[in-house]
Amino acid sequence: QKEVEQNSGPLSVPEGAIASLNCTYSDRGSQSFFWYRQYSGKSPELIMFIYSNGDKEDGRFTAQLNKASQYVSLLIRDSQPSDSATYLCAGITSGTYKYIFGTGTRLKVLA
Amino acid sequence: EPEVTQTPSHQVTQMGQEVILRCVPISNHLYFYWYRQILGQKVEFLVSFYNNEISEKSEIFDDQFSVERPDGSNFTLKIRSTKLEDSAMYFCASIPGQGYEQYFGPGTRLTVT
Repeated sequence: QKEVEQNSGPLSVPEGAIASLNCTYSDRGSQSFFWYRQYSGKSPELIMFIYSNGDKEDGRFTAQLNKASQYVSLLIRDSQPSDSATYLCAGITSGTYKYIFGTGTRLKVLA
Repeated sequence: EPEVTQTPSHQVTQMGQEVILRCVPISNHLYFYWYRQILGQKVEFLVSFYNNEISEKSEIFDDQFSVERPDGSNFTLKIRSTKLEDSAMYFCASIPGQGYEQYFGPGTRLTVT
């Protein structure tokens, strides 16, 4: 069974701090990873995707992928109360159509 | 900016009834998906659809479920005989190519009584 694991949280950080969200995956064949933000009662909203080992930065967000350790992370710099949401990690294996989602980590940014 | 749309936003139905959930994917996208999210739980893959046929489905997607792209723009999910445990948010998503990032619609909240 291919799995994507996330700590459910909540992860609480003060406003202005760096929030670090982590995700591990079981399938070594997984090629691409995606971070989504989901507000309560709303649909997932894409934040970033990453295919290659290393870091990828987009504004306040940095995604990190380490395929040897089967580990993906998302850093949010200068966290704002509006960043408070559940963050979903998803992966897909090359040659398949099925995206596997983690349970999500609830982030609370305290003003 | 193009977006995925879904109707209705909320559907209430009685157990045993058939429901059809509708989605309009982004127009140049080729792959379409349905997901389910039971309240407080993870987003669960149901089915993927490409080139007018199912490309992959999960164990949740049993004979009670079917999908269709009836007219080149709409993408529907039918549940033939709803059960209480079908109550969930149902999300449609689309992608322009295999392995690309998915874009989700706003979801349909299905309540089975």
